Amino acid sequence: EVVLTQSPGTLSLSPGERATLSCRASETVRSPYLAWYQQRPGQAPRLLIYGTSSRATGIPDRFSGSGSETDFTLTISRLEPEDFAVYYCQQYYSSPLTFGGGTKVEIK
Amino acid sequence: QVTLRESGPALVKPTQTLTLTCTFSGFSLTTTDMCVGWVRQPPGKALEWLARIDWNGDKYYSTSLKTRLTISKDTSKNQVVLTMTNMDPVDTATYYCARIRHSGGFLDYWGQGSLVTVSS
Repeated sequence: EVVLTQSPGTLSLSPGERATLSCRASETVRSPYLAWYQQRPGQAPRLLIYGTSSRATGIPDRFSGSGSETDFTLTISRLEPEDFAVYYCQQYYSSPLTFGGGTKVEIK
Repeated sequence: QVTLRESGPALVKPTQTLTLTCTFSGFSLTTTDMCVGWVRQPPGKALEWLARIDWNGDKYYSTSLKTRLTISKDTSKNQVVLTMTNMDPVDTATYYCARIRHSGGFLDYWGQGSLVTVSS
């Protein structure tokens, strides 16, 4: 199965700063099948990005996704207080569907 | 408006079988491209995909758990049921159901989750 490795494990930043989160796949993932989710404490995950770079409904444009093959990135251009959360990447190019281990974005 | 809600026991004993029900609205599992899946999350840990059932009846399971999992659907009730046999304390987790779009494999709507504790 495809293993997704997210880095860093924790990102300590201040509001207004730029966040860059990495997701590396153990084998090629075609771009329509890579997604990102945000999970705030005590809440269910929420879809942010699908198809590598398409924002889900209602997601602000400070969130953007990019990448190809084995290297994917989620960028938050300017962190808002509500953006401090855990972020997961997920692929379904190769069965079974798999998630990365998550990156926690915390307030510095 | 798409909504999903998980229901089931909060506590199960080791070796018992867990049965969880996902009741959804706002879409139909008879519509092409629509799927419903289950994901779990042990306390403080990452998400783990468990199973999926598609509009056409196809079923997919986690490689490591497939011998213990069964997923089924009742389209007349808008429900998907997941059973997991031989429960163990390591299966303690919040269990989520979610709608999955077959065309991209992403989970676009999630339930609020159901915490299941396995303890004697």
